[in-house]
Order: sequence, then C-alpha cells, then structure tokens
Amino acid sequence: AQRVTQPEKLLSVFKGAPVELKCNYSYSGSPELFWYVQYSRQRLQLLLRHISRESIKGFTADLNKGETSFHLKKPFAQEEDSAMYYCALGGANNLFFGTGTRLTVIP
Amino acid sequence: KAGVTQTPRYLIKTRGQQVTLSCSPISGHRSVSWYQQTPGQGLQFLFEYFSETQRNKGNFPGRFSGRQFSNSRSEMNVSTLELGDSALYLCASSLGVIRSGANVLTFGAGSRLTVL
Repeated sequence: AQRVTQPEKLLSVFKGAPVELKCNYSYSGSPELFWYVQYSRQRLQLLLRHISRESIKGFTADLNKGETSFHLKKPFAQEEDSAMYYCALGGANNLFFGTGTRLTVIP
Repeated sequence: KAGVTQTPRYLIKTRGQQVTLSCSPISGHRSVSWYQQTPGQGLQFLFEYFSETQRNKGNFPGRFSGRQFSNSRSEMNVSTLELGDSALYLCASSLGVIRSGANVLTFGAGSRLTVL
C-alpha cells in the first residue's frame, strides 16, 4: 500500500540553523517523490521533485530507497521558509500526501 | 495566465444539506483532482477527472461525488452533510492524468466548508 509519513507535525528552528523535514514512504513500485509547500495566505505549490535533482530556495531532497526516505534539507533556515510542508508520493494514478509539517523559523 | 479558480471560497451549511463546489482549471489542463484538507488528516485524495471521466477515487463515502464538463471545469458535490465534512476542499489541475512522471499539480485557493 502507498503511504507517506511525516513524523513531525511541528518543527521550530532558529534563523541560520540547518533544517531537516523528515518524510518516509511505503510503495512497492518505483517511487516518485515531491515536496509541496504552503506559505501563509498562499496556495499550495510545488517546491521540488526528486527526478529534477534540483535545489529550490536553498532546499534539497535526496531519495534514499534503502531507507525509503525523502527528507527535505536546508543548511541555513530563513524566516521566509516558515510554512506548511507536505511530502507527496506519486503512484500509478494517484498522488498521496503526508499529513504535513509546519516549519517555524525563529528570528 | 489565470490560475486554478475555485468557487465559492467560503460557505456555511447545516447537517443534512448538500453542497456543490466548482473548479476551473488552468487553460489547457485537462485533469482536475480534488483533495480534502483538514488539520488532523492533512491532504486526502477525493477523485480525479480527465476528459469528463472519473479516473480514480479515494477512500470517501458515496456522498462525495463529482463530474467534469467538456471545457474541463469540474464540480464536486457532497450530499447529506455531516459535521466531519468541515474542511478546506482543494482542487488541482494538471496537463495530463496523474501518473508516474506527470504528477505536477497546480492548486486552487480552496473552498472552505463549515458544517454546523
């Protein structure tokens, strides 16, 4: 069965500190993973996807098939990174989202 | 170009009533999917429509239904509303069907439903 787990509902870090938002998945096929972000009063939007292997707004995420993880990382958190982050797993004909992690960056 | 438009943005209903929500996708996008967003459950997939056909349905009761028109606009309907249906309903569109390798969604602002 497809499942996405984001173990932290809330995460607070100080500005300039490293941040890691955890995401673990369960999927029998070849996974396609995404991170979506929702800033305050804005729409949910795509942040990055693993197939692009890109860095967006300083964030990166590496797919670890051995640990079935797709953690989102940024070396130096900024106040504007405060938002709700959702990890998503693409299956054959569906997109499963985790329950989300609310990141707060403390000035 | 215009984004995904959802109407109404806010609505209040009472238990037992029914509600219809509307979603207009980005021009050229033929797939429309619906999600229910709640603080406790996060985002849960309701269904996806492509070319007026429901392709996939999430684990929701039959009270939740939808349809898509020839212009790709979609509606979802919830009948016999329950208190637990209070949520933000998000619509998302994409160029093609949701499938591996093509899962980039553009979301609307949502319709916030409150059931009293």
